[in-house]
Amino acid sequence: NAGVTQTPKFQVLKTGQSMTLQCAQDMNHEYMSWYRQDPGMGLRLIHYSVGAGITDQGEVPNGYNVSRSTTEDFPLRLLSAAPSQTSVYFCASSLQPGYPTDTQYFGPGTRLTVL
Amino acid sequence: AQSVTQLGSHVSVSEGALVLLRCNYSSSVPPYLFWYVQYPNQGLQLLLKYTSAATLVKGINGFEAEFKKSETSFHLTKPSAHMSDAAEYFCAVVADTGNQFYFGTGTSLTVIP
Repeated sequence: NAGVTQTPKFQVLKTGQSMTLQCAQDMNHEYMSWYRQDPGMGLRLIHYSVGAGITDQGEVPNGYNVSRSTTEDFPLRLLSAAPSQTSVYFCASSLQPGYPTDTQYFGPGTRLTVL
Repeated sequence: AQSVTQLGSHVSVSEGALVLLRCNYSSSVPPYLFWYVQYPNQGLQLLLKYTSAATLVKGINGFEAEFKKSETSFHLTKPSAHMSDAAEYFCAVVADTGNQFYFGTGTSLTVIP
């Protein structure tokens, strides 16, 4: 199993450009999520999905869109990039959080810089 | 609502010394608690988790944590620090009825030779 994969690893955008961060998992996990990591702020949840066709907002959803058309993929879209979105983005997946046996698996991250 | 507070953004210990990283939680419902480790330029890796089965939880790499409801704490310890333990450590909480993980701001551990 590849686990959770993310592409690209690095990206530089100009203000106003759009792009999609890709995330895929091959563990048949129902739950997938996107976090951003900023210095001194830990990880903050952007959006999450509890299954194909179902998404919901997390703590910091503004400026980001998601969709979940398949169990495997959960792309994160930046419609009009802003310098405040400069961050490291992590995708994660798990069977279902809150279950005693569940574990959240993280991808390697995408480092995004918006100029 | 759930949240965690990690006391100390930076902790330095000598190699072979006790490691103690602090985490206090706030939860209105029984929580599940986690410790994750992040090595430089990598994603997060689960160290251990509390799921109400036992209050003392043992994890990978010799780490353990004790759930203390009376103190609302879930501190991470390791008896003897190794150079390879240098990393960022995150505490996280999720409610047993919830779908969202809440992470602390992290503690950077430095191990001095």
